[in-house]
Amino acid sequence: EAGVTQSPTHLIKTRGQQATLRCSPISGHTSVYWYQQALGLGLQFLLWYDEGEERNRGNFPPRFSGRQFPNYSSELNVNALELEDSALYLCASSSGLAGFYEQYFGPGTRLTVT
Amino acid sequence: AQSVAQPEDQVNVAEGNPLTVKCTYSVSGNPYLFWYVQYPNRGLQFLLKYITGDNLVKGSYGFEAEFNKSQTSFHLKKPSALVSDSALYFCAVRAVPNDYKLSFGAGTTVTVRA
Repeated sequence: EAGVTQSPTHLIKTRGQQATLRCSPISGHTSVYWYQQALGLGLQFLLWYDEGEERNRGNFPPRFSGRQFPNYSSELNVNALELEDSALYLCASSSGLAGFYEQYFGPGTRLTVT
Repeated sequence: AQSVAQPEDQVNVAEGNPLTVKCTYSVSGNPYLFWYVQYPNRGLQFLLKYITGDNLVKGSYGFEAEFNKSQTSFHLKKPSALVSDSALYFCAVRAVPNDYKLSFGAGTTVTVRA
């Protein structure tokens, strides 16, 4: 069974540009979560999508947005990039809404903003 | 609000010795607790979880964790550490039933010396 996949592996952008990160969940998983892992800040919850709907978002500005497609894959968009957006962005998926389902993580996209 | 504390930034042990990584949590209500491991430049790998039932939970790669409700702790243990266990370990909590995002601790770097 294939795991969670993310693309691209690395992304280098200039301040003010937009970045698009992509995630494909494990087959059969309907929930997709996005997390930011920034140096010194740990893992922070960004967004949660399930069945095409945004269910919850973390304490991030509106320039962080995304969507989930009918095939349950997801896209994270970061507009007006700032230097502090440089981080590892992790996508995770789980098989249901019940809280006891563990999340499975992809390898991440390393975003560097210069 | 839910939170996790990992009081040790680093844990150093000799190969073959017992390994313990500490975690305490704070939630309102009953917690779902998880341990993940992250190897350099990789995503997070699920190790084990506590949902309900037996306080001692066994997981992948010989790891286990003990849930202690009175001390609000969920320490990760391995009876005999391997050099290959050297990695970054994260404890995470989810408060049931409505909060599906994971709140992570800051992480503990484990170094196992040969």
